[in-house]
Amino acid sequence: DIQMTQSPASLSASLGETVTIECRASEDIYNGLAWYQQKPGKSPQLLIYNANSLHTGVPSRFSGSGSGTQYSLKINSLQSEDVASYFCQQYYDYPWTFGGGTKLELK
Amino acid sequence: EVQLVETGGGLVQPGKSLKLTCATSGFTFSTAWMHWVRQSPEKRLEWIARIKDKSNNYATDYVESVKGRFTISRDDSKSSVYLQMNSLKEEDTATYYCTTSAYWGQGTLVTVSS
Repeated sequence: DIQMTQSPASLSASLGETVTIECRASEDIYNGLAWYQQKPGKSPQLLIYNANSLHTGVPSRFSGSGSGTQYSLKINSLQSEDVASYFCQQYYDYPWTFGGGTKLELK
Repeated sequence: EVQLVETGGGLVQPGKSLKLTCATSGFTFSTAWMHWVRQSPEKRLEWIARIKDKSNNYATDYVESVKGRFTISRDDSKSSVYLQMNSLKEEDTATYYCTTSAYWGQGTLVTVSS
């Protein structure tokens, strides 16, 4: 199975700041990577697919990049509604696997 | 509006069975590949099963930890996907989501405990 290592596990940032979350795959996943946002008590919501494509309705302050085994999610100009947990997920091969998550809080 | 609604969760004893249902609307279900994903109490996400569409012979795939115990199925006439869970273990305790990957249901909680 492809292992997904996500960092950091938690992150504290100020409003307006730029935040970056990293995800490393145990092998090349050829951009088969998605990023999800999950708020407390809610289901995960797709932000990014194919490593860098923005899902419908997602604010443009979210962006994804990377290739091979290294990927990142960037949030520009952090807003209060961005407080949530974020997960990466590879869908290049089955079983799909997820990173351990990053809990983003306001400083 | 896309909607996925999971039902069927609850408290069940180890070794028993439970069947989850996911009713969907707002998209072309018959051509969608459907998945079940679970989230443990520790908030770790785990993909557990997928079923393809009719043109792909409804092919299924499972994570190793549920193979032989869980069965995913679908009824295109009802736009619904199911997860039959047998021989449940305490480590199956989780919130279970059905998803197209782009869209997710609200989840249903399964607790396996004596």
